Amino acid sequence: SAVISQKPSRDICQRGTSLTIQCQVDSQVTMMFWYRQQPGQSLTLIATANQGSEATYESGFVIDKFPISRPNLTFSTLTVSNMSPEDSSIYLCSVVVGALDTGELFFGEGSRLTVL
Amino acid sequence: GQQVMQIPQYQHVQEGEDFTTYCNSSTTLSNIQWYKQRPGGHPVFLIQLVKSGEVKKQKRLTFQFGEAKKNSSLHITATQTTDVGTYFCAGPRWTSYDKVIFGPGTSLSVIP
Repeated sequence: SAVISQKPSRDICQRGTSLTIQCQVDSQVTMMFWYRQQPGQSLTLIATANQGSEATYESGFVIDKFPISRPNLTFSTLTVSNMSPEDSSIYLCSVVVGALDTGELFFGEGSRLTVL
Repeated sequence: GQQVMQIPQYQHVQEGEDFTTYCNSSTTLSNIQWYKQRPGGHPVFLIQLVKSGEVKKQKRLTFQFGEAKKNSSLHITATQTTDVGTYFCAGPRWTSYDKVIFGPGTSLSVIP
């Protein structure tokens, strides 16, 4: 299993500013994922953060808007840049223990962002 | 691209009634997972099904994986208020196993 600490848990931000979300895992993991969940919606994968290489972004998400760092096997950050009200959402960090095609995903408690 | 669909989107039941949500994938899945997200919470893993036709039970919850490994169901017997939440099915991307694709979820409300 894995325990994930994510912060901030929530924040209210002004349009045009940037916010960095931190994700700390209690064990070393190869793959870390960042998801976005808009109110009442499912989870949308933003990117996969792998230690030692550039993050892999899903269609519709770009590095300039969502830069990701992965300095080691237990930590990652996601920055939401130049925020607009459309970025208001819950951002979730997730890891898989073991292989992706057989392991379960563990999620952090999420960071609820409101952009005014 | 690969899609995972779920029905119904919403379900309101009286406490004590049964509940079923159905999940369908556009492609064959190596495995399917189910997650539960309570209101205001984060998704929590419930179970993984791997074998064709597999059936697993967790107390009042019964999970099935279809013979063709493209569909699954979650059945809750005699719902309780603690069952409230959104149930997501999810499966690995079949081409590269580098991401997990989530269905849209079924939101369950239980009326006491």
